[in-house]
Formats: sequence, C-alpha cells, structure tokens
Amino acid sequence: QVQLQESGPGLVKPSETLSLTCSVSGDDSITKYSWSWIRQSPKKGVEWIGNIYNNGTTKYNPSLRSRVTMSVETSKNQISLKLKSVTTADTAVYYCARESVLTGVIRFDYWGQGTLVTVSS
Amino acid sequence: QSVLTQPPSVSEAPRQRVTISCSGSNSNIGSNAVSWYQHLPGKAPKLLVYHDLLLPAGVPFRFSGSKSGTSAYLAITGLQSEDEADYFCAAWDASLNAWVFGGGTRVTVL
Repeated sequence: QVQLQESGPGLVKPSETLSLTCSVSGDDSITKYSWSWIRQSPKKGVEWIGNIYNNGTTKYNPSLRSRVTMSVETSKNQISLKLKSVTTADTAVYYCARESVLTGVIRFDYWGQGTLVTVSS
Repeated sequence: QSVLTQPPSVSEAPRQRVTISCSGSNSNIGSNAVSWYQHLPGKAPKLLVYHDLLLPAGVPFRFSGSKSGTSAYLAITGLQSEDEADYFCAAWDASLNAWVFGGGTRVTVL
C-alpha cells in the first residue's frame, strides 16, 4: 500500500522560506509517477501548487510560480517543496499527492494526511 | 474563492440518496475529466471517482459520478453513517493552466 507523509516546520516567519518534504513508502519507484503539492486553507479552499514529473520537469501554478521550487530525491524516495517569501496568506494545510494516468486521464490516487503550516511572526 | 462551485453542505437520512454538484466552465469541466475525493478530517483525501464516472477498485458502488456540460455530479445512494465527510471535485483548467478544485461539500447523515 502506497503511503505519503508530509513533514516540515509547522511555523514559518513572514518573508522566510517554507520547506516541506513528502516521504513515499510502499512504492517500487518514485520515478514512475508525477507528484503534486496541494494546499487547503479556509480562505482559498483547495489550491494546486504544482507538480514534478517523473523526468524531473516541473509545472507550477502560475499564481505561485515565482516563489515555488520542487525537487525529487530518488535515493530517499522523497519529494520536496520550497515556497519563498511567505506571507500569512500561505498559512494552510499542505498535501502531497501522487498523480497516475488511467484511461488517458490524470487523477490524484494517493494523498498524504497533510501538514499544517502557519505563517506568523 | 474556488474556481469550481459546490454547495457547502448537504444532509440526508440513512439509506437515502444525496447528489453533490460541481459547477465549472468550458475551460475546466466542459473540456476535461473530473475527479472526486472524499476527505475525513485529519485523514488523507481518498480518490472516489475519476474520468467523470469511473470508480477505483475498492470504492463501493453506492458512489457514482456523472457530468453534463460544465457541471459534474457525485451521487451517494444508500447513505451510511461512514459517508459523513467532506467531498470535493477537481479538474484541469486549460485557461489557468492549473488544476482547480471545488470548495468542498460537507455531507451529514441525519
């Protein structure tokens, strides 16, 4: 059974960089799939941050593109997210999710439980 | 403000049927596949429906998805107490060049 677990600081100061890691277990190869970061907050609802494809190519939400970096550490089975210059509007529960293709369409077939990140001084 | 519009809540008695709507536009639901997710607080969201109406293995047949134009629907028949959860829809938006989601619907079993 595939399991995803997000981890990282629960509190980040404004203007600093938010850094999270998603650890993947039960999957034979992290490079077979694409991986998304998604966040949820009361104000903005569910928002897709971006994804990283199995060839390392990234695609970011245009609304966040200038501040986001994603990478994959295949030896550790981990995906990382960095969001710089955070503000209180970035306070949210952050999820990582696996993307898989079936019947020609992409779906998020596995998600982590999410980790709450609060931006506050 | 979510791009896809869902009712905030629906409620129904056990063994009854509920339908959740997800309204979008031509750039998302109107031209791309819709998926639905069940989310229990503190748990990982779970894929319920993909490609508008297909169920992944293990999802009870009480759940069904459909789509018409720029709206998608998730129906739950034979409602059970364990179905109390938040449900949200998702689709790729070709104009925004991003995945977009519904605001979520809380299902309450009376």
